Amino acid sequence: DTAVSQTPKYLVTQMGNDKSIKCEQNLGHDTMYWYKQDSKKFLKIMFSYNNKELIINETVPNRFSPKSPDKAHLNLHINSLELGDSAVYFCASSQDSLHGEQFFGPGTRLTVL
Amino acid sequence: AQSVTQLDSQVPVFEEAPVELRCNYSSSVSVYLFWYVQYPNQGLQLLLKYLSGSTLVKGINGFEAEFNKSQTSFHLRKPSVHISDTAEYFCAVSQNTGGFKTIFGAGTRLFVKA
Repeated sequence: DTAVSQTPKYLVTQMGNDKSIKCEQNLGHDTMYWYKQDSKKFLKIMFSYNNKELIINETVPNRFSPKSPDKAHLNLHINSLELGDSAVYFCASSQDSLHGEQFFGPGTRLTVL
Repeated sequence: AQSVTQLDSQVPVFEEAPVELRCNYSSSVSVYLFWYVQYPNQGLQLLLKYLSGSTLVKGINGFEAEFNKSQTSFHLRKPSVHISDTAEYFCAVSQNTGGFKTIFGAGTRLFVKA
C-alpha cells in the first residue's frame, strides 16, 4: 500500500486554466504539507496543515488554495495557472507538527504551456 | 532564522570509493537534522535523522552522518558507494517554534561512476 499518494502524476495544461492536485496519506498522520520543487531541485514549503488546520502558509500567491477535508487528505487547487507555476509538487505527511520526519508522495509534475 | 547550506551542488565519485556530502546549518535554537534521498522521478525518502543522543547517526543503505554542534554541521558519509546511490541528497533542519518548520538545503547531486 502506498503511504502517501498523489494524483495526477503528470499534469499538462494551458496558461489561465484552473487545476487541482489531490493527496492522501494512510499513515494515520496528523500533519500534511505541500512543497514545490523547481527545475533546479530546490524544495520549498508552501503550506502545512495539522488536523485540518492551516499552520504554515509561506509566501505563496493567492491563486494557490489548499483544502483539507479530513486529516488524511490535503488537496491543492491552483487558479489562473502561469508559466512560472511549472514545477514538481510534492505532498508529505508527518506524525504530528512536533516531529520533523516527513514521508513524501511521488510528486506531481505540472507543466503550464 | 534557520538556514541550511549544502556546500557542493554536485559530487562525482567512482564506484566503491568513499564519499562525504557536506551540510552546514544556522539556527539560534536546538534543531533536529535530517538527510533525505531523492531518486530520479521519485519523492524524497528519509536516510537518517538526528534528534538527540549520540552524535553519530546510522541510516539506511550504509549511510551515516555526524552531528557537530560546535561547527554546526551534519555531514553525510558512506565508506563505499554503489552505482545505485546516484541520486539527489537533501539536508534538512527543523526547529520547534511551536510547531516544526523544516528547511531544506539546495541538494547535492551524487553521481557514481563505474
